[in-house]
Amino acid sequence: DVKVTQSSRYLVKRTGEKVFLECVQDMDHENMFWYRQDPGLGLRLIYFSYDVKMKEKGDIPEGYSVSREKKERFSLILESASTNQTSMYLCASSSSAAGGGYGYTFGSGTRLTVV
Amino acid sequence: GEDVEQSLFLSVREGDSSVINCTYTDSSSTYLYWYKQEPGAGLQLLTYIFSNMDMKQDQRLTVLLNKKDKHLSLRIADTQTGDSAIYFCAESTDTGTASKLTFGTGTRLQVTL
Repeated sequence: DVKVTQSSRYLVKRTGEKVFLECVQDMDHENMFWYRQDPGLGLRLIYFSYDVKMKEKGDIPEGYSVSREKKERFSLILESASTNQTSMYLCASSSSAAGGGYGYTFGSGTRLTVV
Repeated sequence: GEDVEQSLFLSVREGDSSVINCTYTDSSSTYLYWYKQEPGAGLQLLTYIFSNMDMKQDQRLTVLLNKKDKHLSLRIADTQTGDSAIYFCAESTDTGTASKLTFGTGTRLQVTL
């Protein structure tokens, strides 16, 4: 069964800490995405990557950075966590070759609380 | 820019039909999607429709697309308690490097007995 795996389901961090959220996919997908989900706001795109070492800003990149050193792994980094980054973070991947009909495959999410 | 809108909440009785509506703004979207999110889980692809289609049926699910009005709907026939979830519509946008999805706010479907 193909999967997108996020390393933590729940995470509690202190304000000012550097936080790493990890995502791994086993489908050999070219594209990987990080979204945050907040009630009433839906999913908002933070960053995405279309190839190893390539990245592009999404709609809300401020306060975040990403790293993609290997095709299967896409990391989201909060350089200095703040309370307004408390949210559900969802990772997804997609294939460029498969065509749009397959959409994205999502991980189960990481619920991050910054105190 | 892209904007996808949905109502936030829908309540239906078990056995009735549910209709979840969505409006989008990007007329160049190639595919439009419906995703389902159960409590504590990620998003699961339910169905999708290609932009040159008006309707797609898949068992209890019917997707209707009105491209002129940029309106998408998802009908769930014979709604069951297991259908209680948040439903997201999404449109695909080609950025030149990858297709990205823009999601609506999500509609929480509550199924009552």
